[in-house]
This record gives sequence, structure tokens and C-alpha cells, in this order.
Amino acid sequence: GAGVSQSPSNKVTEKGKDVELRCDPISGHTALYWYRQSLGQGLEFLIYFQGNSAPDKSGLPSDRFSAERTGGSVSTLTIQRTQQEDSAVYLCASSSGQGVGLDTQYFGPGTRLTVL
Amino acid sequence: KQEVTQIPAALSVPEGENLVLNCSFTDSAIYNLQWFRQDPGKGLTSLLLIQSSQREQTSGRLNASLDKSSGRSTLYIAASQPGDSATYLCAVQTGANNLFFGTGTRLTVIP
Repeated sequence: GAGVSQSPSNKVTEKGKDVELRCDPISGHTALYWYRQSLGQGLEFLIYFQGNSAPDKSGLPSDRFSAERTGGSVSTLTIQRTQQEDSAVYLCASSSGQGVGLDTQYFGPGTRLTVL
Repeated sequence: KQEVTQIPAALSVPEGENLVLNCSFTDSAIYNLQWFRQDPGKGLTSLLLIQSSQREQTSGRLNASLDKSSGRSTLYIAASQPGDSATYLCAVQTGANNLFFGTGTRLTVIP
């Protein structure tokens, strides 16, 4: 079946603008994750959604970052008033949510964000 | 805070060689350890997942081991091929939500 998809694949924006990044998880997956991969650094956890539970936002770097997941499926990551340090690849992953330690996360191709 | 280290950062080997990638983590209270592959411009592909109660997992030419008490894992690749060239990432899961990733080992297999 279809994997995790993300759009756009590339986004170039000017400093101070808002951007929205979209993630379509694998159908039926209840868990969804956002990560950020900055140049030369490892992946950094941002936010996690599981079913109808309140999301874990502990990884969001500032209040300029927010995310929603509508209808338990599609998720949107919004970055307001973008800064140059926000430039990174933003990766989305989903998993079946079958249990802690049991899940394999399936990743999308990512969105490369460049803030000029 | 969990820290994950991967050594070496880059590795080049001739085709056909067996090789080992190393991963270490500071907090042994993990649920699982996963190895991923990342190709340029693409997302991550899960290779192997070892649960905390397991010692190793195998898939084809890949074998991953886990020594939780010492905070170490290795990924063994047998008979390497040029198509194995990619960045290999190790990640540990310490909670319901969070994977801690290493910075990866960039592998180049020379034909």
C-alpha cells in the first residue's frame, strides 16, 4: 500500500513568513510523529499524535511551531514567522500504535525548508 | 537526556567486504533500538528493530545486535554491495513517543 507522503517536497520562504507542511500517514496508522533534521545534526523529535489523545508537544522548539492532526489522519505542521535557523528537512512518520517498543515507524520523504 | 553516538561518521569499503557499524547510547532504559537507512533526498527506511528483551535481529545480509547493559549495538552487513551505499542511523526508543537518533554513519561501497 501507499507509504507516508509529505508535501511540498521543497519549500523556500522569506524570513518572517508563515509556512505549512503537510503529512499523510499510512492508512490505519494511529500514531504520527514529526521530526526535524538540521544540516550535520541528528533527527530531533518535535511532536507526537496518538489517536484522540492530547499530543505530546515536548519537542517543539518554540511557540512559533504548532501542529494539528485532523480526523486522526492528515497532519499539518505550521511554523510562524520563520527564522533562518528553521531551515531543515522536516520528516513525518507514522506507526500502527500497537504498543510501546513494538512499533516500527515508517517515514515520509520529508520536506526541505529553506528560509532566506 | 539520552545521547546516541555512531562511529565511524563515514566509512568506505570495497564491494564484497563485510563491515560493522557501531552505535552507543547513554541510558540503558530503552524499549527498543532501531536501525534505519537514509538515501540522499529521501526519508528513512526501517531496517531492523530489536526489542529491549532481544539480543539480535537478522534480515538478509543484515544482522543487528543489542547489548543493553553496556549501551551498545552493532549493525553487521555481509558481502557489501554498491546499493548498500547510504547513511545508516541508529535510534533508541525511551518512551511512548520519542526516538533518539544518532547522527549516522555514511557508508560508501566502492564497486
